[in-house]
Amino acid sequence: IAGITQAPTSQILAAGRRMTLRCTQDMRHNAMYWYRQDLGLGLRLIHYSNTAGTTGKGEVPDGYSVSRANTDDFPLTLASAVPSQTSVYFCASSENRGLKAFFGQGTRLTVV
Amino acid sequence: SQQGEEDPQALSIQEGENATMNCSYKTSINNLQWYRQNSGRGLVHLILIRSNEREKHSGRLRVTLDTSKKSSSLLITASRAADTASYFCAPVMDSNYQLIWGAGTKLIIKP
Repeated sequence: IAGITQAPTSQILAAGRRMTLRCTQDMRHNAMYWYRQDLGLGLRLIHYSNTAGTTGKGEVPDGYSVSRANTDDFPLTLASAVPSQTSVYFCASSENRGLKAFFGQGTRLTVV
Repeated sequence: SQQGEEDPQALSIQEGENATMNCSYKTSINNLQWYRQNSGRGLVHLILIRSNEREKHSGRLRVTLDTSKKSSSLLITASRAADTASYFCAPVMDSNYQLIWGAGTKLIIKP
């Protein structure tokens, strides 16, 4: 079944450690996004990519980095995790920017 | 902030009743989308309405858009227990095609 896959589904991470959240889509979508969702809040955009080879900063990019080496993969890296990065992280993709988005099942990250 | 805002924050109705959720935003938009999120799951796209459209239907869903008032509504008719979820509107900014997210409406359908 075509879709978008995130890994891991959950992780407990010690503060100061480096962590990469993986995201892969098989729909050949041009645009991909990383969001975080905190309790009681809506989604906040961390980084996005409108097409392979390009990335952009969203609303809350500090402490995170992304790369888009190919169409399918869009990993999110936390260089040195802090407790405020405890959240649920969602990866999404759309055929082109601004269109219907498909979401992964999320990664629940706890930084202790 | 250019966040969208859903209203009400929470809604609890009996199965079979209609549920109406509202959304307001502040910027010029290209389109507006509605999503559903079941507890602990990813978001699922429900419907997209373009800025030049006023109403759109999909099954039991009816979405309206009033760009002069910068508002939209989602109506779910004949609600079912399975409709219990959080619902988010996502206006898409005309300037950069980014989706703007609010905190959502938590809908509970009582059997």
